[in-house]
Amino acid sequence: NAGVTQTPKFQVLKTGQSMTLQCAQDMNHEYMSWYRQDPGMGLRLIHYSVGAGITDQGEVPNGYNVSRSTTEDFPLRLLSAAPSQTSVYFCASSPRQGRANEKLFFGSGTQLSVL
Amino acid sequence: GQQLNQSPQSMFIQEGEDVSMNCTSSSIFNTWLWYKQEPGEGPVLLIALYKAGELTSNGRLTAQFGITRKDSFLNISASIPSDVGIYFCAGQKYAGNMLTFGGGTRLMVKP
Repeated sequence: NAGVTQTPKFQVLKTGQSMTLQCAQDMNHEYMSWYRQDPGMGLRLIHYSVGAGITDQGEVPNGYNVSRSTTEDFPLRLLSAAPSQTSVYFCASSPRQGRANEKLFFGSGTQLSVL
Repeated sequence: GQQLNQSPQSMFIQEGEDVSMNCTSSSIFNTWLWYKQEPGEGPVLLIALYKAGELTSNGRLTAQFGITRKDSFLNISASIPSDVGIYFCAGQKYAGNMLTFGGGTRLMVKP
């Protein structure tokens, strides 16, 4: 079972470059989300989506864009990378709203360094 | 933004010892969750708690939902080397709401 698949696993960018982190899930989950993980800060929500065509901002959305054209895919775009965006990024999905919402399935992460 | 205070930040223990960690907040959460993250992987849900005072076990792991709804505790009994990882608490204020994560407790177990 693939679950939540993130690519790439590692990425190095120069300041000002743009890139897209890919996330795909094969569990037909309605809810998808992106988190960043920084030392001692836990996981902070960047953007989330409750279904195809619907996205919303999380706690730290600045500098990131998302779209949800299909149920399976939820890419995260960095428009102009900054060193402050150096982090480990996790995509997560869950079946639906309500009590199942918290049963997040995480991908294995993308380690991003911005020089 | 809202953050949960998780302690200790790290623990280095001997195999076989019991482990306790906790998570506190200044505000009420109606769901508490505990996740484990192993190196190079995303977090995996260990235990979910839905009711104040609830005590739930998953093998050697036991978690409790504090009666004030502002804290939660995780205990691991008779630790083994594969318990190594970062343990995160997370709170949810109401169903459908986003999760708030603690900063994590890094557990290291010496064989």
